[in-house]
Amino acid sequence: KQEVTQIPAALSVPEGENLVLNCSFTDSAIYNLQWFRQDPGKGLTSLLLIQSSQREQTSGRLNASLDKSSGRSTLYIAASQPGDSATYLCAMGTSYGKLTFGQGTILTVHP
Amino acid sequence: DTEVTQTPKHLVMGMTNKKSLKCEQHMGHRAMYWYKQKAKKPPELMFVYSYEKLSINESVPSRFSPECPNSSLLNLHLHALQPEDSALYLCASSQVGTSGETQYFGPGTRLLVL
Repeated sequence: KQEVTQIPAALSVPEGENLVLNCSFTDSAIYNLQWFRQDPGKGLTSLLLIQSSQREQTSGRLNASLDKSSGRSTLYIAASQPGDSATYLCAMGTSYGKLTFGQGTILTVHP
Repeated sequence: DTEVTQTPKHLVMGMTNKKSLKCEQHMGHRAMYWYKQKAKKPPELMFVYSYEKLSINESVPSRFSPECPNSSLLNLHLHALQPEDSALYLCASSQVGTSGETQYFGPGTRLLVL
């Protein structure tokens, strides 16, 4: 069974800190790893997608890395802001576009 | 335009009702997805349509019936639901439904079954 685990479950940091969210997965047949953001009661917003052949992707203050051999991905957020507060979900993509999600990390950035 | 729209935003229904959820996208995507998300849990895949054909059915009970009338529209017909089916139902789309594509999500329909 494919499993995706995210650590920590919740994180509270002061504004301006750099932080790292962790994601681990069990399926070596991974096609890609996607990071999403979800605000309370809302849909998901795609942040970054890393193909299995890639090592990392960057978008603005966000950097995501992928290590297939160890089954790990990290999302690095630089200079965090209160507007970054949300739930961050990683999802493992396998064949036919199927995504298996982790439980998410609830991030709170306080002023 | 990277928008996926879903209607209605909220729905309350009894266990004997029949209702439908609607999802629409105008990005020219040929793959569309239904996910179910319970409170404080991650989304779980229900169905995948690729080129208007059902390609994945994750063993979802028959009281949920998907329909893809054209490449822009995806419906989820609901009948004889149970209170435990109360959840946020999310629709997503991607280019063709293969691996390696970004999925774009709608805002969801929050369903309450009484």
